[in-house]
Amino acid sequence: AQKVTQAQTEISVVEKEDVTLDCVYETRDTTYYLFWYKQPPSGELVFLIRRNSFDEQNEISGRYSWNFQKSTSSFNFTITASQVVDSAVYFCALSEALTQGGSEKLVFGKGTKLTVNP
Amino acid sequence: EPEVTQTPSHQVTQMGQEVILRCVPISNHLYFYWYRQILGQKVEFLVSFYNNEISEKSEIFDDQFSVERPDGSNFTLKIRSTKLEDSAMYFCATTGGRTQPQHFGDGTRLSIL
Repeated sequence: AQKVTQAQTEISVVEKEDVTLDCVYETRDTTYYLFWYKQPPSGELVFLIRRNSFDEQNEISGRYSWNFQKSTSSFNFTITASQVVDSAVYFCALSEALTQGGSEKLVFGKGTKLTVNP
Repeated sequence: EPEVTQTPSHQVTQMGQEVILRCVPISNHLYFYWYRQILGQKVEFLVSFYNNEISEKSEIFDDQFSVERPDGSNFTLKIRSTKLEDSAMYFCATTGGRTQPQHFGDGTRLSIL
């Protein structure tokens, strides 16, 4: 069964600090996708990144970077030089790439609430 | 950038009443999903829909729930007889292909009194 664990319930940092949000996943499939979504206080879900299980290259997008390590089943997210606007709940999610049928539903972790203080 | 549109943004309903939540997918998207998020909790999968039929549903999606695409554009979630525990944010998500990211609407906050 698929499972996503975000052990950090809440993190509070001061602006300009770097912060890493942890995500550990479980799946029996060899082909799967990992995602991060941001949920700001306004409530919408904003897509940040998708990674497939065959691509272990780390990715950087501006102040955001992601570290995918299959050996530890982790897909961690780092925000460099955090800003107040980064305050949100961040969800890690997993979907399995089914060969036929099914729906590749997203299985979400419980989320990490990040508060960046000025 | 194309968006998934959900209406209404907030729905207040008496327990036992029927509600219909509406979603307009991104044009050319073929796969549709409903998710639910009870306040302060994680986002949970309800149902997926492709080619005018349900592909998969969770144990939450019982006989009180139904989905349909009545006119080729809207994608609706109906709850026949609402309960207090149906109070949640409901998100519609759509994607153009099974290997592509799901794009979420802004959600409908459903409050059952």
